[in-house]
Amino acid sequence: RKEVEQDPGPFNVPEGATVAFNCTYSNSASQSFFWYRQDCRKEPKLLMSVYSSGNEDGRFTAQLNRASQYISLLIRDSKLSDSATYLCVVHGGATNKLIFGTGTLLAVQP
Amino acid sequence: DAGITQSPRHKVTETGTPVTLRCHQTENHRYMYWYRQDPGHGLRLIHYSYGVKDTDKGEVSDGYSVSRSKTEDFLLTLESATSSQTSVYFCAISGGGGRTEAFFGQGTRLTVV
Repeated sequence: RKEVEQDPGPFNVPEGATVAFNCTYSNSASQSFFWYRQDCRKEPKLLMSVYSSGNEDGRFTAQLNRASQYISLLIRDSKLSDSATYLCVVHGGATNKLIFGTGTLLAVQP
Repeated sequence: DAGITQSPRHKVTETGTPVTLRCHQTENHRYMYWYRQDPGHGLRLIHYSYGVKDTDKGEVSDGYSVSRSKTEDFLLTLESATSSQTSVYFCAISGGGGRTEAFFGQGTRLTVV
């Protein structure tokens, strides 16, 4: 079983739609969680950190459920510019490893 | 953007030759990582470092070695390049200000022929 699992997609959605991505992780000792965005042939860039209380940044909302070892990202009012691959990342606690999911591809259609 | 640079950005090499990729940071971050990215596999950790001369293996470390003699530099060496090591390699840094989020270099596209 992979340490971090994501639905690879692709998710094809119209502009203005709401889309949700999910991610599960296997290491219960994990302490930090993130969502990254990666554009084609570019490096990943931090989108947002994920906290137990949930956090929101504009149209983006991230949630963490430690009991279920589950992370989510919600994008509201999708824009064409949101088209990218979204990567779930888990910090492995004592090992200090950053483990990436395989990513979920989002394509927002006009 | 974090001060992190990778060199070279592109390289073509022949099977069996040694190759060294360099990651240089100006942020004084404690942790440095090397990942490879391939279609269908996402980013996979090769090796990482948690301080000068302190390194550990990731999930795909076979055929790779690393060295970190200074805080700023983390070198990845392919001891004898194979076609299966054709990939995009990303370096990342983290640990600045006690935070765990990572910042990435622009990547090195390596082709082994």
